[in-house]
Amino acid sequence: QSVLTQPPSVSGAPGQRVTMSCTGSSSNIGAGYDVHWYQQLAGTAPKLLIYGNSNRPSGVPDRFSGSKSGISASLAITGLQAEDEADYYCQSYDSSLSGWVFGGGTKLTVL
Amino acid sequence: QVQLQESGPGLVKPSETLSLTCTVSGYSISSAYYWGWIRQPPGKGLEWIGSIYHSGSTYYNPSLKSRVTISVDTPKKQFSLKLSSVTAADTAVYYCARNGYDYVGGGGIDYGGQGTLVTVSS
Repeated sequence: QSVLTQPPSVSGAPGQRVTMSCTGSSSNIGAGYDVHWYQQLAGTAPKLLIYGNSNRPSGVPDRFSGSKSGISASLAITGLQAEDEADYYCQSYDSSLSGWVFGGGTKLTVL
Repeated sequence: QVQLQESGPGLVKPSETLSLTCTVSGYSISSAYYWGWIRQPPGKGLEWIGSIYHSGSTYYNPSLKSRVTISVDTPKKQFSLKLSSVTAADTAVYYCARNGYDYVGGGGIDYGGQGTLVTVSS
């Protein structure tokens, strides 16, 4: 069981907007530690998608956005495209564990 | 362009020690970033193994701490992972990565290797 909880799957049609959540606790997200999001396409290494809750690295389309509130964070994808089909992971720091924690991942299916 | 490349045996016997090395190019490993390892068992999610600063300060996943050693060799631009007493549960793709600018992972994992599959089997 992951310290950060993500829904196992979400889906949407091309062009639609989807969101996925990442729920933690008072020792990680709720403590103010940053949340980062990663996209993992099939058979490839994870790629940084959002850092510091809501910042996009250079080259990441502005269709991807992140937010954080309380003990949760969210990733939103607008204008869904077929190439967005991937696994998405959130990550933060946990003060109780004194280490990094990942969510279990959400599989995005583009219908 | 920062590049990382993992190297090491793809097959390790149970109870032995898994050893991997990550070679960094395009960035000085002795500059202000943390470096570390993450793994992903087949069909499962990501797990942080540990991180190291160029000074040698280390931070390990509590669930692996008793078996993990991460070290850095700045002249060689390399850092290494040793995981002892491995079992089949340690079979995974192991990624080396640049782990942020502070020990809590500020900035996220912005550069990583392509990953190397390590299978634990006799």
